[in-house]
Amino acid sequence: GAVVSQHPSRVICKSGTSVKIECRSLDFQATTMFWYRQFPKQSLMLMATSNEGSKATYEQGVEKDKFLINHASLTLSTLTVTSAHPEDSSFYICSARDGLAGDTGELFFGEGSRLTVL
Amino acid sequence: GQNIDQPTEMTATEGAIVQINCTYQTSGFNGLFWYQQHAGEAPTFLSYNVLDGLEEKGRFSSFLSRSKGYSYLLLKELQMKDSASYLCAVRDSNYQLIWGAGTKLIIKP
Repeated sequence: GAVVSQHPSRVICKSGTSVKIECRSLDFQATTMFWYRQFPKQSLMLMATSNEGSKATYEQGVEKDKFLINHASLTLSTLTVTSAHPEDSSFYICSARDGLAGDTGELFFGEGSRLTVL
Repeated sequence: GQNIDQPTEMTATEGAIVQINCTYQTSGFNGLFWYQQHAGEAPTFLSYNVLDGLEEKGRFSSFLSRSKGYSYLLLKELQMKDSASYLCAVRDSNYQLIWGAGTKLIIKP
């Protein structure tokens, strides 16, 4: 199946700093990527839908100025958590759909990035 | 509103069979998905149902009844490695995925 690579897998930063997380589709072109956040023992919460070459669509309650999403190419989307605070500590996961593979609807997930803000 | 319900936690014995249920109420329906997620890892795709009936894939099967807003995931010949959370997700009329909270499955020897 298609492979999505996410980096870094773990990051620890100080409060007030910014952190960038990369999501790459390795063997397919992803016109759309999705960013999720998952707190312990909770389900995936969609943060935003990232479309190549256009602005991301954010879910209600997600601050677009705090969570900057860039989808500059068909294989790369980035999420930048700006001025991170301890409450931003979470597991961030990206996913992508191979639009050329036919609509099985299957999402391919990155490995996830665990952010800890001290 | 849109809602997906699945049990929070289930326990089963190695070698046995377990059924995880999922009921949904969404604005439109364009498919139901089951994902497996081990602790600290990203979800992995298990199955996709868009028509009523049973889809079998090895030890795992998934069933859908659209009229009842109901699905189940059936796991046979349980192995210790099947201990994980199982997420039910429904794609609505806007092709948005609505996620259930997940069912934590504990397998005992």
